[in-house]
Amino acid sequence: ELKVEQNPLFLSMQEGKNYTIYCNYSTTSDRLYWYRQDPGKSLESLFVLLSNGAVKQEGRLMASLDTKARLSTLHITAAVHDLSATYFCAVVPYSGTYKYIFGTGTRLKVLA
Amino acid sequence: GAGVSQTPSNKVTEKGKYVELRCDPISGHTALYWYRQSLGQGPEFLIYFQGTGAADDSGLPNDRFFAVRPEGSVSTLKIQRTERGDSAVYLCASSLMLQETQYFGPGTRLLVL
Repeated sequence: ELKVEQNPLFLSMQEGKNYTIYCNYSTTSDRLYWYRQDPGKSLESLFVLLSNGAVKQEGRLMASLDTKARLSTLHITAAVHDLSATYFCAVVPYSGTYKYIFGTGTRLKVLA
Repeated sequence: GAGVSQTPSNKVTEKGKYVELRCDPISGHTALYWYRQSLGQGPEFLIYFQGTGAADDSGLPNDRFFAVRPEGSVSTLKIQRTERGDSAVYLCASSLMLQETQYFGPGTRLLVL
């Protein structure tokens, strides 16, 4: 059974600091997605990573994918309060289907 | 343009009742997904459609759950004989094609008393 694990599960950080969220998965895949969810809201797509070594950046967020290590990272640079949210990664395994398996999420709180 | 819409936004029902949840995807999107999200958890895959056909329904928990997309646009998730454990937020998402960006609807919050 495919497992998608994120760590940390909860992260409290000061504004202006840098940090990385990790997403590990247990099966072969080169399709990984990052989403953001604000409290009481639905999910918003952040990044689509479709090959080994893929790197995407948007503002203070940068995502990368290492398919050999089965690892994706979401790096936060100089955090601001508006980045406070829950971040999910999702993996689509090599199995002939486009079934997305989500991680448990990382709840980020940026303190002013 | 309009995003993904879901109705109702909230549904309260009694144990044993039947419910239908509706999803209107973005126009022209061929792929449509249903997920269930419990408090503090990530979305749990239920089923996805490519066009009118259910391409993978392996996430449906049991035969009380069923979904249709008869004309390749609107989809309905149907739950028979609801149980308290079915209480969750049911999310719908669509994408132009498989593997492309998914756009999520606001969800339907289902509460089974």
